[in-house]
Amino acid sequence: NAGVTQTPKFRILKIGQSMTLQCAQDMNHNYMYWYRQDPGMGLKLIYYSVGAGITDKGEVPNGYNVSRSTTEDFPLRLELAAPSQTSVYFCASSYRQYEQYFGPGTRLTVT
Amino acid sequence: AQSVAQPEDQVNVAEGNPLTVKCTYSVSGNPYLFWYVQYPNRGLQFLLKYITGDNLVKGSYGFEAEFNKSQTSFHLKKPSALVSDSALYFCAVRDNTNAGKSTFGDGTTLTVKP
Repeated sequence: NAGVTQTPKFRILKIGQSMTLQCAQDMNHNYMYWYRQDPGMGLKLIYYSVGAGITDKGEVPNGYNVSRSTTEDFPLRLELAAPSQTSVYFCASSYRQYEQYFGPGTRLTVT
Repeated sequence: AQSVAQPEDQVNVAEGNPLTVKCTYSVSGNPYLFWYVQYPNRGLQFLLKYITGDNLVKGSYGFEAEFNKSQTSFHLKKPSALVSDSALYFCAVRDNTNAGKSTFGDGTTLTVKP
C-alpha cells in the first residue's frame, strides 16, 4: 500500500493565483481530512469528509474548497491565494473515528 | 467543544532516562485519545491510542500512555529515552459522537541528549 499520497511536494504561488492540492489514499478509508500547519504551531483542520459526496468545514475553511467524488481522492482547492495561506498542508485518512494516517505534506508559499 | 492542552513546549531528557510528555483534554462524551509523532519535514505518524479498556496502552517504539479519567490526562511515557526519540509529539482527542473532528494539541518538542 502507498498509504496517503500528496502532490505536489512544494509549490510557490503568486498572490491571486489558484491551485489544487491532490490527495489520494489506497486504504479504503471513509474519513479524510485536510490540515494546515504553520511554523511552530499545531494542526488546524480545514475540511473533512466522512464519505464520498459528504464534506464539512473545519476550523479554518475560508479561502479553500474541497470535493469528494470517490473514496480514494480528496482534493483541496485554493482560490485567489493570499500570503496568509503560506503553510504546510497535510492530508490524512482514517477508518471511521480511529487513528489517522497522514501524507508527507505539501509546502506552499504565496508571494 | 473539545480541547487539548500540552503544557510543555519543550521537554529535554538525557538518553537512558525515562521521559514523560504531558497531555490533558476536555470532551463532552467519552474520549478517543491519540498520540502522534512528527519528524522534521515529515507527516505525522500514529504512535498509540486509547479507545476503551485498560488505562495503560502500549504503542510503537516502546512508548506507552496512561489514561486517567479523573485527571482528564493522557500522558505519554517511555522508560528509557533514545536520541532517535527526539521529535515533535502531538496529543489529539475526539469524542465518540463527533463524526469527523479531532482536536490536536500544539505539540511538544522532545529533545533527548546523549
